[in-house]
Amino acid sequence: DVKVTQSSRYLVKRTGEKVFLECVQDMDHENMFWYRQDPGLGLRLIYFSYDVKMKEKGDIPEGYSVSREKKERFSLILESASTNQTSMYLCASSSPSGTGDEQYFGPGTRLTVT
Amino acid sequence: GENVEQHPSTLSVQEGDSAVIKCTYSDSASNYFPWYKQELGKRPQLIIDIRSNVGEKKDQRIAVTLNKTAKHFSLHITETQPEDSAVYFCAASPDSRKVIFGPGTSLSVIP
Repeated sequence: DVKVTQSSRYLVKRTGEKVFLECVQDMDHENMFWYRQDPGLGLRLIYFSYDVKMKEKGDIPEGYSVSREKKERFSLILESASTNQTSMYLCASSSPSGTGDEQYFGPGTRLTVT
Repeated sequence: GENVEQHPSTLSVQEGDSAVIKCTYSDSASNYFPWYKQELGKRPQLIIDIRSNVGEKKDQRIAVTLNKTAKHFSLHITETQPEDSAVYFCAASPDSRKVIFGPGTSLSVIP
């Protein structure tokens, strides 16, 4: 079974703090993703990575950065947290198999910025 | 970039009835269309997918159809059960590395 874990289930931070969200997968997947989930907006892609040290912007990268130093770990960084970044953050991983591949999600981190 | 729309946003059906969720996409290059189910408090999980060289795919009570000309695809759930209650996301993949998700449909199956 693919296992994707995230460092925290719940996190409360103050405005202006630097926030690190970590994701680890144990299936040697090449692709890793960070989404935020908000009611009525679905899953919006923040950043993704298809290899170590490689990253690409998704649809809503503003205010976020990422780091992938090892294949199994993908970190999302909020340089200066703001209240509009209060959301559920989901990490996912997948392995290329031609055109399209199943994404395996982590349990999510509910971040509240006060 | 790819944009995926999904309707309806909420859907209530009686147990045993059918449920249909419809999605449209904008990028004609998209060739992979997965559907994910997210139960309350849980992570999204893939339930079925379809590729562009296939018009229809069925897995027990779930079926997906794809119309590439019209750029729309649908999820059909027959003989709905209370455990089908969840949020369903359609998605389209414009390349082999990422998918773009629709906004989701909250399905309630009333016993």
